[in-house]
Amino acid sequence: DTEVTQTPKHLVMGMTNKKSLKCEQHMGHRAMYWYKQKAKKPPELMFVYSYEKLSINESVPSRFSPECPNSSLLNLHLHALQPEDSALYLCASSPRTGATYGYTFGSGTRLTVV
Amino acid sequence: ILNVEQSPQSLHVQEGDSTNFTCSFPSSNFYALHWYRWETAKSPEALFVMTLNGDEKKKGRISATLNTKEGYSYLYIKGSQPEDSATYLCAPKNNTDKLIFGTGTRLQVFP
Repeated sequence: DTEVTQTPKHLVMGMTNKKSLKCEQHMGHRAMYWYKQKAKKPPELMFVYSYEKLSINESVPSRFSPECPNSSLLNLHLHALQPEDSALYLCASSPRTGATYGYTFGSGTRLTVV
Repeated sequence: ILNVEQSPQSLHVQEGDSTNFTCSFPSSNFYALHWYRWETAKSPEALFVMTLNGDEKKKGRISATLNTKEGYSYLYIKGSQPEDSATYLCAPKNNTDKLIFGTGTRLQVFP
């Protein structure tokens, strides 16, 4: 299995809802990442997990809460989002953090906040 | 904050043309430079990871070079095909484990 699987592919949520995005990989990768991409902009790093521990939080608002329950799974819990949080959320993984490893990306969750 | 610039922003070429685009990045604290291809409605796909000054990598008709001293990388596509149509993103990595993406070059290859 050489894929990163993200679910759901599309999500519409209200500003008072709580929802979660899920990301799964079975390549034995020990680094996992969340990126956010707005239209016509490059992906922006949100969080980095290394060996199931949060190593980088790019000053992301607390309404986004990441979780890495095991080495294969990465969640992003969403609560009280704003319409400006509507974006494509991409998950990626790599064998380890470090310079020489390319990332494997999922196809993303398209989130719309209404 | 890494300032990563890619040019041109978009490019339209005919099938069979060769093309190239540029990625500029800060040369200080450089660790690696990644190139990704992102086709519409698909996942970004890793093309190259380059670390050494003067590095050249090749994958089929696509190749890339790296100059870490002056902070730039070139991506070349020889004999472009319609299936090469995608956005090409470069992403330098410094010593903070953060991969920061450039704005991308959107390539369209017409038959």
